[in-house]
Amino acid sequence: DADVTQTPRNRITKTGKRIMLECSQTKGHDRMYWYRQDPGLGLRLIYYSFDVKDINKGEISDGYSVSRQAQAKFSLSLESAIPNQTALYFCATSDLLGVSTDTQYFGPGTRLTVL
Amino acid sequence: EDKVVQSPLSLVVHEGDTVTLNCSYEVTNFRSLLWYKQEKKAPTFLFMLTSSGIEKKSGRLSSILDKKELFSILNITATQTGDSAVYLCAVEPINDYKLSFGAGTTVTVRA
Repeated sequence: DADVTQTPRNRITKTGKRIMLECSQTKGHDRMYWYRQDPGLGLRLIYYSFDVKDINKGEISDGYSVSRQAQAKFSLSLESAIPNQTALYFCATSDLLGVSTDTQYFGPGTRLTVL
Repeated sequence: EDKVVQSPLSLVVHEGDTVTLNCSYEVTNFRSLLWYKQEKKAPTFLFMLTSSGIEKKSGRLSSILDKKELFSILNITATQTGDSAVYLCAVEPINDYKLSFGAGTTVTVRA
């Protein structure tokens, strides 16, 4: 079974619609992240959460919101989708091993198309 | 603002060739640099580099970091078609557990 799952895997929607992307993890990690990936731009951080009560904006948070419902669940919402939010969205998790850098484990991605 | 630049953007090689991918960065208070491999799905972790001059190896892949010149290279020797992927470089600063990713290098290995 996958450690990090995302639903839906593919979604096509229309401009102005509200969309929620969900992420669940069984790794027991405290930290969860949402990225979007666009061709030629790499992965860009939207929001991240270090525990259930902690939510932080990333570099491109405008037009998005998140909810950390539990340690294992982190949802990304597009309140009113627009075409330039068409992208591949990844959820990731990580844990901190002492003072060492953590590594992030990625979900399979959600391909979102906004018409 | 942290900046990660990868080069080349893409390359095509034949099986058996060696490829060298570059990643240069500008980051305040560097902690680590990570390499990921992304096929038609989520990125998978390859290496984490924190110290200058120490090579990390995994089979035909190896990577090294130069903290003075602010870059890292990823080498793939005796390439195989299964090495075809996008290779992503990311850096993490101290006291800020977020990764900044480069745009990636697309490697295509032809039989």
